[in-house]
Amino acid sequence: RKEVEQDPGPFNVPEGATVAFNCTYSNSASQSFFWYRQDCRKEPKLLMSVYSSGNEDGRFTAQLNRASQYISLLIRDSKLSDSATYLCVVNTGGFKTIFGAGTRLFVKA
Amino acid sequence: GAGVSQSPRYKVAKRGQDVALRCDPISGHVSLFWYQQALGQGPEFLTYFQNEAQLDKSGLPSDRFFAERPEGSVSTLKIQRTQQEDSAVYLCASSMDRENYGYTFGSGTRLTVV
Repeated sequence: RKEVEQDPGPFNVPEGATVAFNCTYSNSASQSFFWYRQDCRKEPKLLMSVYSSGNEDGRFTAQLNRASQYISLLIRDSKLSDSATYLCVVNTGGFKTIFGAGTRLFVKA
Repeated sequence: GAGVSQSPRYKVAKRGQDVALRCDPISGHVSLFWYQQALGQGPEFLTYFQNEAQLDKSGLPSDRFFAERPEGSVSTLKIQRTQQEDSAVYLCASSMDRENYGYTFGSGTRLTVV
């Protein structure tokens, strides 16, 4: 079993839709969690950290469920520019950070 | 510079050739990471430096891979006797903090071994 697992998608949604991705992690001692966005043939860029109480940044909401060991990302009012691969990232303590394989999102006009 | 700089942007190597990939992190960033990203996959951890000290090299796939950061700033990832399976994008990331509070990645070096 991979340490961080994501549904690869692709998710194809129309503009304005709400879409949610989940990610599960296997190490219960994991300490910090992030979502990164990666555009085609570009480097990953930090989208947002994920806090225990959940957090929101504009149209994006991240949630953490430690009991079930998953994190989620909700995107409201999808824009064409949201089309990208979304990487779930888990820090297992210290400096080792594990990336998921990513979930691909296509937003259509 | 303002971001993490990597060079070369693209590298084509003949099988068996040695290559050196350079990473210039954000000034003052203590932590530096190397990742390998195969097509359609997420980045896979290779190695981590805190200043000049290589604290974790558990992700290096073989002894043909070697990384250094002698003065705690610029880092070089060297691959000896390249093989086709080494073809990937090599990403460098830096972070101000010892713990991961979010990395800034460079644009990567796309290595193709023919």
